[in-house]
Formats: sequence, structure tokens, C-alpha cells
Amino acid sequence: GDSVTQTEGLVTLTEGLPVMLNCTYQTIYSNPFLFWYVHYLNESPRLLLKSSTDNKRTEHQGFHATLHKSSSSFHLQKSSAQLSDSALYYCATGNTRKLIFGLGTTLQVQP
Amino acid sequence: EAAVTQSPRSKVAVTGGKVTLSCHQTNNHDYMYWYRQDTGHGLRLIHYSYVADSTEKGDIPDGYKASRPSQENFSLILELASLSQTAVYFCASSDGEKQYFGPGTRLTVL
Repeated sequence: GDSVTQTEGLVTLTEGLPVMLNCTYQTIYSNPFLFWYVHYLNESPRLLLKSSTDNKRTEHQGFHATLHKSSSSFHLQKSSAQLSDSALYYCATGNTRKLIFGLGTTLQVQP
Repeated sequence: EAAVTQSPRSKVAVTGGKVTLSCHQTNNHDYMYWYRQDTGHGLRLIHYSYVADSTEKGDIPDGYKASRPSQENFSLILELASLSQTAVYFCASSDGEKQYFGPGTRLTVL
């Protein structure tokens, strides 16, 4: 079945440094959808980014990701981390009926 | 903005007891989901539904039942709660493009 592998555990960064959270996937679909969901403390998880076509970058709220089917990847990036980016980030793949989430990566941004 | 609500927001249950978690959405979405969140396991799908009066098993359905009596309501039922079911439970609805999550229910089984 489909699966998603993310950078595991905790990533700690200093404010202002670039962010990169890795996500690779396995799927039977030739044109997969990939997603990044963000879960801030005491809030509900919500969609951050959804993939577009192969090799096309999608952006939202300063974050961006590019679907690379050749490497089965959809890494999340941001040029400069902010304290408010501290959260749990999930990569997911799936279709209209259901999603498969990765284990999640906790990003902690320090001053 | 999409609205998914859950009740209760937290609950303490005894081992072997019955627990019902409720979810209500006002999004007019056909799809609804129940997930559990555990540290080290991420979000795992328990049950889902794409139409009223019908439910589907997700990836970890054992020990859980689901009920979708109407488009707006989706319940998760633990007939015999166990210690291993201590977790945070999220309900979500979807328009087929994006999932909208509720605030979560923290369940502690003692």
C-alpha cells in the first residue's frame, strides 16, 4: 500500500536559518497527490500545501515544496525559520477518499 | 470557514468501559474520518465514511466501531476501552480536496 516517510522526530533550528523537512513516498498511483499538514499546539491540524504537477513548486505562507516523481519526494522548505513556525508537520499522500500520513516531524525554532 | 466540532474534548474512562466520541460538521461534506494521534505513530486512520449510514474500516480499526447516522454526525465507539486506546482522537471532514480537522479529544483510559 501507499506509505510516506518523513524526517523523523525533532528538528531544532535557530530563527532565521532555512527549513527543510524531508518527505518521500511510495504509491501505486502514477500521478499522486502529496500534502503537508501543520499542527500547531492547541490547534487542529490544517492543510499547509498540496502538490501540483511534477516538478512544479507550490507555495503557501512562506513555505514551498516541489513534487519530484523521479525521486518520489515532496520536501518542505522555507528560506528563513520563524519562532511561529514551531509545530508538528505531517506529510501525506492519498486520494479523495483517504490519506496516509507520515509519522510527523516536530519543528522547534529557537531564538 | 469549515467547522468540525468534537465532544467531549477530554475524557477519562475505565478499562472495559464503553466510550463514545462524537463529531459534528457543518461543512456539508460527504467524507468524514476518525484518526488517532500518538507520539511516534503520527495520525492513523481508524474508520471513515463517505455517505450516511455507511462506514469503512481504516488502517487500525480493531477495537473501534463507527456510526454515521447523518451527513453531519460521525461517532467513534470503543465498546471495551483498553489502556492502549489512550490517545488523542481527531475527527475530520473532507470536500475531496482538503481535510478539515476538529479540535481533538484527549482520551485517557485507566
